[in-house]
Amino acid sequence: DGGITQSPKYLFRKEGQNVTLSCEQNLNHDAMYWYRQDPGQGLRLIYYSQIVNDFQKGDIAEGYSVSREKKESFPLTVTSAQKNPTAFYLCASSSSGVHSDTQYFGPGTRLTVL
Amino acid sequence: DQQVKQNSPSLSVQEGRISILNCDYTNSMFDYFLWYKKYPAEGPTFLISISSIKDKNEDGRFTVFLNKSAKHLSLHIVPSQPGDSAVYFCAATYFGNEKLTFGTGTRLTIIP
Repeated sequence: DGGITQSPKYLFRKEGQNVTLSCEQNLNHDAMYWYRQDPGQGLRLIYYSQIVNDFQKGDIAEGYSVSREKKESFPLTVTSAQKNPTAFYLCASSSSGVHSDTQYFGPGTRLTVL
Repeated sequence: DQQVKQNSPSLSVQEGRISILNCDYTNSMFDYFLWYKKYPAEGPTFLISISSIKDKNEDGRFTVFLNKSAKHLSLHIVPSQPGDSAVYFCAATYFGNEKLTFGTGTRLTIIP
């Protein structure tokens, strides 16, 4: 089945620890995105990547880092510098950029920092 | 600055009736709009989109209307079904922009 997988579904970490969220897609999409969702807020863009080995900051990139070494993978690291890391994180991909094609989302990872 | 606004956090509609979800935007550059549906603890799924060259787009029970002069779009669901109960997000972008701007969402509850 084609799609986007995110693992794990739930993640708990102690304050001050870095944590990496996985996102893999087998849709052969060029573009990948990371969003954060908080209660009562829309989806806010953290980072995005249009091609391998290239990525751009979104609206709320501070305290996060990404890599895009392979077309199918776009891991997100939540660093200790992120002030409020507890949130629901969503990964998405699209075949040719946002305007001409739909973004497909993974099931999300809920991160709780204790 | 919230460029895409969904002013109704929640909406309840009787099963079989019409559900109307609204979205307003402020950025005149936006020329492509999308609606996504989201169930709790899941990723959003794409519902329907509309380009600014149109004022209406239909797909089955879902119709999106765009009023460019008012910078307003709406999603109509007819007839509403229990499985439509979810959070609906409006999103917007423009040609050359690689990002989507999302609204804050409207929680739709269909009452049996």
